[in-house]
Amino acid sequence: QMQLVQSGAEVKKPGSSVKVSCKAYGGTFSSYATSWVRQAPGQGLEWMGGIIPIFGAPTYAPRFQGRLTITADESTSTAYMELSGLRSEDTAIYYCARDGALNTWGQGTLVTVSS
Amino acid sequence: EIVLTQSPDSLAMSLGERATIKCKSSQSLLDSSKKQNSVAWHQQKPGQPPKLLIFWASDRASGVPDRFSGSGSGTDFTLTISSLQAEDVAVYYCQQFHTTPWTFGQGTRVEIK
Repeated sequence: QMQLVQSGAEVKKPGSSVKVSCKAYGGTFSSYATSWVRQAPGQGLEWMGGIIPIFGAPTYAPRFQGRLTITADESTSTAYMELSGLRSEDTAIYYCARDGALNTWGQGTLVTVSS
Repeated sequence: EIVLTQSPDSLAMSLGERATIKCKSSQSLLDSSKKQNSVAWHQQKPGQPPKLLIFWASDRASGVPDRFSGSGSGTDFTLTISSLQAEDVAVYYCQQFHTTPWTFGQGTRVEIK
């Protein structure tokens, strides 16, 4: 049974960047997509982008293009999400999730953007 | 971008009643090569990450009670809870993984009357 474990909460200043990790335990990491999904306080779910590690090239939702970088390290079964140019509206819980149907979710990482 | 519209936004049902949530897509979600619809349903309880209930529109994920079922094809999909239990209080989201960017419906809040 695969488990996804994310890094801890972050507090960032506007204009800065944040990098969140997602480590996979059990199962196959490289041949399945890892997606990043965020949820602003009291709001719904928003898919940001994803990567299939063996293929390498990530896919981004258009609204995050240019600000979002998704990478994966097959040697450690870890995916990363880096969001730059942070603004207050980026305050949210960021989740990683596996495969197209998002069959496994990480526990979430709260990112707070505040001056 | 494919838009998913759920209805209703919220519903309150009595214990044991049947709850039905609809999800309408702006484009067909039928994967012609797999002959399956690329639709999933997720349940999110307060303070928890979402949990996959249904994938390929009608396949129940491992460990999901059989009171949850999914149906539909093309652009119209339904999640049914056949007999609502107290532990089913949550927000439910449909999601398409047919075309990137993958998208979610706005969510349906289910409460006990």
